[in-house]
Amino acid sequence: AQSVTQPDIHITVSEGASLELRCNYSYGATPYLFWYVQSPGQGLQLLLKYFSGDTLVQGIKGFEAEFKRSQSSFNLRKPSVHWSDAAEYFCAVTSGTYKYIFGTGTRLKVLA
Amino acid sequence: EAGVTQSPTHLIKTRGQQATLRCSPISGHTSVYWYQQALGLGLQFLLWYDEGEERNRGNFPPRFSGRQFPNYSSELNVNALELEDSALYLCASSPTTSLLAGELFFGEGSRLTVL
Repeated sequence: AQSVTQPDIHITVSEGASLELRCNYSYGATPYLFWYVQSPGQGLQLLLKYFSGDTLVQGIKGFEAEFKRSQSSFNLRKPSVHWSDAAEYFCAVTSGTYKYIFGTGTRLKVLA
Repeated sequence: EAGVTQSPTHLIKTRGQQATLRCSPISGHTSVYWYQQALGLGLQFLLWYDEGEERNRGNFPPRFSGRQFPNYSSELNVNALELEDSALYLCASSPTTSLLAGELFFGEGSRLTVL
């Protein structure tokens, strides 16, 4: 079955600390992978996407993610977290059609 | 350029009533997607419209329906509301049916509360 797993429901980090949000997927076809961020009361905004090529992709707001096919993972990282990064983060996968599959999200809290 | 707009922002209904939510896609986008975001359940795919036609629907009962108008705006109707329909309903648009062309662009959502 196709699925996306974000094993961490909540993560708390101190401002300035590094961050890694985990995403694992199960998908039969070649996956196209995305990370979205949702601030409170807002819709989802695309952080970055992976279609092909270099497995380390750079996104907006200083985020990056690495695609590891052998581990079926697409973890999101940021070297130094800012208080404004507090939000909910969603990993998603598609084969390029209408069918997006979203993870259940990871809520990030940033301590001052 | 205006983003995806949704209305109303908040809607309160009682069980058994009907709710109508509206979405205007980004200019030039022909595909509109509806998602339900219930607490703790992530985003669940509801419906996909393109060029005025319903192209696919998720695993939701028929009381969830909608349509897409000639200007590509869309409406989501939920009949016979149940308490568990309380959720944030997100609309997204894309410029083409192929998501390889880019990404989904989301509106800020309509929060439906069923009492």
